[in-house]
Amino acid sequence: ETGVTQSPTHLIKTRGQQVTLRCSSQSGHNTVSWYQQALGQGPQFIFQYYREEENGRGNFPPRFSGLQFPNYSSELNVNALELDDSALYLCASSLAGAGLWEQYFGPGTRLTVT
Amino acid sequence: LAKTTQPISMDSYEGQEVNITCSHNNIATNDYITWYQQFPSQGPRFIIQGYKTKVTNEVASLFIPADRKSSTLSLPRVSLSDTAVYYCLVGDVNTGNQFYFGTGTSLTVIP
Repeated sequence: ETGVTQSPTHLIKTRGQQVTLRCSSQSGHNTVSWYQQALGQGPQFIFQYYREEENGRGNFPPRFSGLQFPNYSSELNVNALELDDSALYLCASSLAGAGLWEQYFGPGTRLTVT
Repeated sequence: LAKTTQPISMDSYEGQEVNITCSHNNIATNDYITWYQQFPSQGPRFIIQGYKTKVTNEVASLFIPADRKSSTLSLPRVSLSDTAVYYCLVGDVNTGNQFYFGTGTSLTVIP
């Protein structure tokens, strides 16, 4: 059983640029959620995708967008990067409908915006 | 959106039982209570989940009173490797979105 993987591990971008982060879900999982975790804080929910459709969104602006592909892998895109976007971005996969909400998290992508 | 309140930090000696309580006064009928553990520079890891009364697995127990406005994660005989941040979440497992992590409880296990 393959766990959740994310790429890249680390990334440095300049303010105003755009970034794409990638996530490969655990085998058999059909739902992916993205979180932003600032230093010393808990993960903040960005959005969730189920069957390639957005299935819920947290309090993040539209410049945060995502995609889920037929193989359930996912991308998080952030446009017009701001300094406050510097954080650890976590992807979590799960199996919706199983009645037990157990999310499996990847190791995260550390984004630094300068 | 049900939010949670936990102690910011706790210390415990090795071998002791640790109980971390979480308050969730606005929990909804369909919400489950889930606990995660997070080590530095890693993603959170699922520990346990429950709806009411008591749930036990190989690593922890979860106690939920009848009114479900709080819950207690119990870690038996902690070791140094249990030093981590513990998060309590509430959310609807059927819709499964907008799980709110909060700031968590930083547990330090002392030798």
